[in-house]
Amino acid sequence: GQQVMQIPQYQHVQEGEDFTTYCNSSTTLSNIQWYKQRPGGHPVFLIQLVKSGEVKKQKRLTFQFGEAKKNSSLHITATQTTDVGTYFCAASTQGAQKLVFGQGTRLTINP
Amino acid sequence: NAGVTQTPKFQVLKTGQSMTLQCAQDMNHNSMYWYRQDPGMGLRLIYYSASEGTTDKGEVPNGYNVSRLNKREFSLRLESAAPSQTSVYFCAHSGQGIMQYFGPGTRLTVL
Repeated sequence: GQQVMQIPQYQHVQEGEDFTTYCNSSTTLSNIQWYKQRPGGHPVFLIQLVKSGEVKKQKRLTFQFGEAKKNSSLHITATQTTDVGTYFCAASTQGAQKLVFGQGTRLTINP
Repeated sequence: NAGVTQTPKFQVLKTGQSMTLQCAQDMNHNSMYWYRQDPGMGLRLIYYSASEGTTDKGEVPNGYNVSRLNKREFSLRLESAAPSQTSVYFCAHSGQGIMQYFGPGTRLTVL
């Protein structure tokens, strides 16, 4: 079945440093979504990317969808302690009603 | 919690016992999902329901059954619990946009 690989699995940064997580698929994706899960919480939708080469920003967060629609990244500039959590990418292929989630990147921050 | 209620919040079972996890959404969405989350494994789809009266297997359906009782409710049943089913279970729902809304989760331990 379709697989979505996400790296790194863990990332520890000093507050103020940048953070990036990457998502890769061997197949062309219809769209990709990003979710954030705070410790002990549930996943919460952040954004959806649909177009080839698309870049979207939410304050300090920048999301990119690759030209070939097979990879995506989430970059956080100048991390804050509120950014702590696990970030998941989730992808679907054309016509699919279900999402396949990456393994997630757990971000911890040293204040 | 994005219009989703899950019960119970916590449960401890002995091997071989059965139980049903309940999920209800109040956003009148057609699609509902059950995921399990294990450390380092991300979210894996157990079953989903694209509309009332239909259910389909996801990535890890073995050992589970589901019922889409009506548009609001989607239950997950473990007929004979095994220690390998110790996990956090999330129910989710989505409308036309595929973006998924997750419930607070059920933390299940099977001894």
